Amino acid sequence: RKEVEQDPGPFNVPEGATVAFNCTYSNSASQSFFWYRQDCRKEPKLLMSVYSSGNEDGRFTAQLNRASQYISLLIRDSKLSDSATYLCVVNENTNAGKSTFGDGTTLTVKP
Amino acid sequence: DADVTQTPRNRITKTGKRIMLECSQTKGHDRMYWYRQDPGLGLRLIYYSFDVKDINKGEISDGYSVSRQAQAKFSLSLESAIPNQTALYFCATSDGGLAGVSEQFFGPGTRLTVL
Repeated sequence: RKEVEQDPGPFNVPEGATVAFNCTYSNSASQSFFWYRQDCRKEPKLLMSVYSSGNEDGRFTAQLNRASQYISLLIRDSKLSDSATYLCVVNENTNAGKSTFGDGTTLTVKP
Repeated sequence: DADVTQTPRNRITKTGKRIMLECSQTKGHDRMYWYRQDPGLGLRLIYYSFDVKDINKGEISDGYSVSRQAQAKFSLSLESAIPNQTALYFCATSDGGLAGVSEQFFGPGTRLTVL
């Protein structure tokens, strides 16, 4: 079993749709969580951190469920520019600071 | 100017050749990382370094070596390239942050093809 698993996708949605991605992690000691966005063949960039209380940034909402060991990303009112691959990232709770990446979920928003 | 730069951006080489990929950063971060990404997959950690005197293997270090020449420079070498090392390689930096984890900043990537 992979340490970090994401919905395989791809997700193809119309503009304006709401879409949600899930990610599960196996290391119960993991302490920090992130969603990164990666455009085709480019470098990943941080989309948002995920906090225990959940957090929202405009149309994007991230949530963490420690008991079930999963995190989610909700995108409301999808835009064409949201088309990308979304990577779930989980960090160990040590000073190692190593990150484990999921394989990504690809989203295509269509007109 | 980009904060994290990688050279070369693209490289085609032959099996058995020695290849070096270079990474430089102007963010002043202590921590640097090398990842590879294969099509349809996430990033896998090759090596990481928390300061000039600290080098650690990641999950797929076999066939690779690294050198941390200075705080700002971290190079990745393939001693004898093989075709299954064909991939997109990313360098990243971070400042550690609370509990040793924080946002990572990535270079633009090096696309390596081994024939």
